[in-house]
Parts: sequence; C-alpha cells; structure tokens
Amino acid sequence: EAGVAQSPRYKIIEKRQSVAFWCNPISGHATLYWYQQILGQGPKLLIQFQNNGVVDDSQLPKDRFSAERLKGVDSTLKIQPAKLEDSAVYLCASSSQGTSGNEQFFGPGTRLTVL
Amino acid sequence: DAKTTQPTSMDCAEGRAANLPCNHSTISGNEYVYWYRQIHSQGPQYIIHGLKNNETNEMASLIITEDRKSSTLILPHATLRDTAVYYCIVRREDQGGKLIFGQGTELSVKP
Repeated sequence: EAGVAQSPRYKIIEKRQSVAFWCNPISGHATLYWYQQILGQGPKLLIQFQNNGVVDDSQLPKDRFSAERLKGVDSTLKIQPAKLEDSAVYLCASSSQGTSGNEQFFGPGTRLTVL
Repeated sequence: DAKTTQPTSMDCAEGRAANLPCNHSTISGNEYVYWYRQIHSQGPQYIIHGLKNNETNEMASLIITEDRKSSTLILPHATLRDTAVYYCIVRREDQGGKLIFGQGTELSVKP
C-alpha cells in the first residue's frame, strides 16, 4: 500500500512570497489533515477535511493560509503572503473510518524556510 | 481532551527494554491513550492505543494503570532505529479528528 505523498520536500522562499504544498493521501482515505510542526514542537492541526468538506479549520490563520480538496482526494495548502514565523514542516495525514483507532498515516512533510 | 505529561528525554541501551512513562491524571472514562513516534525527518507513526486493558502488538506493549491516570509504553528490545520522539496522546476513539501533540519524549537508544 502506497503511503501519503507530499511535494515538494523542501522549499525556501522570501517573506511576502507565496507558496503551495501538495498532498496525495492513501487511496480510499476520506479524512485528510494538514499539520504544522515548528522546530522543537509537536505537530499542530491546521485543517481537517472529510471528503471535500472542511471539518475543522479553527487553527488555520485564514488571513494568509488556505487549503482545498476539490475532488475529495488530493489537497493543496497555500500560504500567501508568507511570514518568517511560517518556517516549519507541513505534514499531511490521512485516515479511514475503518482503521482501528482512527489511526492517522502521515506523509514525510514539506520543510518550508522563509527568509 | 485530557492533557499528558512526559519526560523530555530518556536514554536506553540497545537490546534493553525501553519504558516510556506518561501521566494523564485528568483522563475521562471514554478517552483512549494513543502513542505515536516521530523519527527524525519523518512524519509521526502510529504505535498503539488502549482504553484500560494492557495492549500488545508487533511494535510495543502498552501498560495502563488501574486508575488510568498513567501509562507506560514498552519497547521490549530497543534498537538504534527506535531512536525517536515518542508522543502520548489522549482522545476519544470515535473522534476521527485532530491529534493534540505535546512535546513528547526524545528517546535515544545507544549502542
């Protein structure tokens, strides 16, 4: 079974620029999550999708961050404009209702550096 | 969701058992204890979860105290590849939602 795919793996931009991250979840997983992990901290949920609908985006800074999952499969997370404090690893995860314990499967993440 | 407390770091000799403690004194009756780990430069990986009975799988064992206020994750024969940050998380199993990660325990397995 293929895992969660993310691209790019690394991205360096200057502040005020825009950036987009892509995630392809495990086939058949209805739930998709985007987490932000700042260096030295645990991951923090930004947004959760169930199919193509948003379940929880309470921690998403909506003035600069946006995410979509138009066909209920792949998802894109965008930051516009980026700030220095957005430097972090952005993790995508997916889960299936049928998985024991609602186990979440994580991708390798995209490491963003904002200069 | 109940809060968890874990030691910041631990060392373990290769081949020995690694016992990682977690305190969750405010856990509710319908909340499970989950463990994930994160190896350097990778995404977190699910290890095990349990409600009140001890659980074992191919990766680890989970021992939950009778009052459910604390638990211990046991890696029976630690290897160098078990070096990672281990997160103890408490949540309801029917919550198909967010995992609230704390700081975790950084386990270093040494030869």
